Amino acid sequence: EAGVTQSPTHLIKTRGQQATLRCSPISGHTSVYWYQQALGLGLQFLLWYDEGEERNRGNFPPRFSGRQFPNYSSELNVNALELEDSALYLCASSRKGSSGETQYFGPGTRLLVL
Amino acid sequence: GQQVMQIPQYQHVQEGEDFTTYCNSSTTLSNIQWYKQRPGGHPVFLIQLVKSGEVKKQKRLTFQFGEAKKNSSLHITATQTTDVGTYFCAGRLNQFYFGTGTSLTVIP
Repeated sequence: EAGVTQSPTHLIKTRGQQATLRCSPISGHTSVYWYQQALGLGLQFLLWYDEGEERNRGNFPPRFSGRQFPNYSSELNVNALELEDSALYLCASSRKGSSGETQYFGPGTRLLVL
Repeated sequence: GQQVMQIPQYQHVQEGEDFTTYCNSSTTLSNIQWYKQRPGGHPVFLIQLVKSGEVKKQKRLTFQFGEAKKNSSLHITATQTTDVGTYFCAGRLNQFYFGTGTSLTVIP
């Protein structure tokens, strides 16, 4: 069974630009979660999608947005990039909408904002 | 603010010593999960605790969920170099709140 995949693995942008990160969940998983992990810090919850709907959102500004497609893959968009957006962005998927399910993480996208 | 606190932030132990990390929430959790992230890797699920006072064991790892479902701990007996990494707890409220993690270094 293929795991969660994310693309690109690395992304370099400049301040003010927009970044798009992609995630493909494990086959059969309907929920996708996005987390930001800044260097040396824990995981900060960004967004939770299930069955194409946004179920919950973390404490991030509106320039962080995303969507989930009919095939359950997901996209995270970050507009008007700021230097402090530099971080590892992790996507996780789980089998059901219930957040009691195990989350399987992808390898992440490392975003660097210059 | 941070919903789930985790201590210590860093821990260095000699190989063979025990290790414990603690997770605390100001509110009652529905359940708690524990993850391990190896250096350069991504978090990998270890276990989920649901019931008040629950204790689960995985070989040298012992996980506990407090009676009030507000705290949890992970204890590793006789650490090995393969235990190196950052251990995160994730408490379920309306979403999962990850603790800040405990980075474990094992000195051979």
